[in-house]
Amino acid sequence: EVQLVESGGDVVQPGGSLRLSCVASGFTFNTHYMHWVRQVPGKGLLWISRINTDGSNIFYADSVRGRFTMSRDNAKNTLYLQMNSLRVEDTAVYYCASIPGYGSGDDYWGQGTLVTVSS
Amino acid sequence: QAVVTQEPSLTVSPGGTVTLTCDSSTGPVTSDHYCFWFQQKPGQVPRTLIYDTNNKHSWAPARFSGSLLGGKAALTLSGAQPEDEADYYCMLSYSGVRVFGGGTKLTVL
Repeated sequence: EVQLVESGGDVVQPGGSLRLSCVASGFTFNTHYMHWVRQVPGKGLLWISRINTDGSNIFYADSVRGRFTMSRDNAKNTLYLQMNSLRVEDTAVYYCASIPGYGSGDDYWGQGTLVTVSS
Repeated sequence: QAVVTQEPSLTVSPGGTVTLTCDSSTGPVTSDHYCFWFQQKPGQVPRTLIYDTNNKHSWAPARFSGSLLGGKAALTLSGAQPEDEADYYCMLSYSGVRVFGGGTKLTVL
């Protein structure tokens, strides 16, 4: 069974930092590009970042570039999102996902982890 | 960063046909935007319906199709079913950076 399990969500003050993790199982993690997507409950989706299979090529949304860092450890089947200089508007559920493309037709999503930025 | 625009809401009758569109602030949507369409129902995570403009995911019913139409990406639902009521999001690629549209709330009524 394919699973993506996010963790690390918490309540943090503005300006603080948090690291999210996403552990993958049930598929060959090191052959899949991975994404982070967030969603404020009841609102729309926001794409955050994408990493290639070996972590050498990463793209970020303008709203997080310079503050967030995506990485992966293929030996641990784990994806990370280091979030610094957090803002109130970063409050959302954060999903890790592998979506079709780059030779894969797979569509895998985690259940999300909630990040709340509040003073 | 580009802005991607979708209809905020649409209504379709059961058995009817509806087209959702996805517009880019940078100009016409082309195959180079590798358009995705996602479906999200309340309390569920999103799932990919269409990728690379018109490739249907294996789970997607035949009544859904993706295309380019008049400079926009389009998702057409032919023969709407009650279970198609959901939020639909398009996502475009801009040289690797992805941008979601605001989503369309589709009501089947």
